[in-house]
Amino acid sequence: SAVISQKPSRDICQRGTSLTIQCQVDSQVTMMFWYRQQPGQSLTLIATANQGSEATYESGFVIDKFPISRPNLTFSTLTVSNMSPEDSSIYLCSVEGASRTGETQYFGPGTRLLVL
Amino acid sequence: GENVEQHPSTLSVQEGDSAVIKCTYSDSASNYFPWYKQELGKRPQLIIDIRSNVGEKKDQRIAVTLNKTAKHFSLHITETQPEDSAVYFCAGSRNTGKLIFGQGTTLQVKP
Repeated sequence: SAVISQKPSRDICQRGTSLTIQCQVDSQVTMMFWYRQQPGQSLTLIATANQGSEATYESGFVIDKFPISRPNLTFSTLTVSNMSPEDSSIYLCSVEGASRTGETQYFGPGTRLLVL
Repeated sequence: GENVEQHPSTLSVQEGDSAVIKCTYSDSASNYFPWYKQELGKRPQLIIDIRSNVGEKKDQRIAVTLNKTAKHFSLHITETQPEDSAVYFCAGSRNTGKLIFGQGTTLQVKP
């Protein structure tokens, strides 16, 4: 499976500021996704990061709040803008990769964000 | 909209017993159903998956069954061990794109 890294691993931010999270993969992948996991909750898809075009956002998530870049097939960034305490979550990128039985999704280690 | 329901939310078993977690999905076009295990502070790790062209899949102590007619699938863990303690998430999707996750099950295996 692909090796996925994220930066930063964690951060504490003040409300009203923005944070950019990076996701790096060690091989070229077609599909990259960004998920949010609020404390003690399940994972919710924020958007699909499309290479060379605008990201595809899920219901409840907008580009102004979560701008995403995908400049190439190994890298993507997610920015959490104008943060509030409600944005405190783990943000995970995932990529589609090969498994023994076909394609599947693998997750990065996540970025733990606390907004004060 | 698309939805995946997962039960139970918590499950406590004695070491050596079996554990079963059940999920139902609403999107009849879903054809891929992975299960992830997430240990505290760690990323979700794929443990097993099933595609809609099969009804059952087994990997050592872990098995997954799929009933497309009823739109539900289940995770079975046999001979549970303390290291199986974690949060387990089911998910559904069309192919392997957008994953819709269940709410999660916290499994505790008591020694």
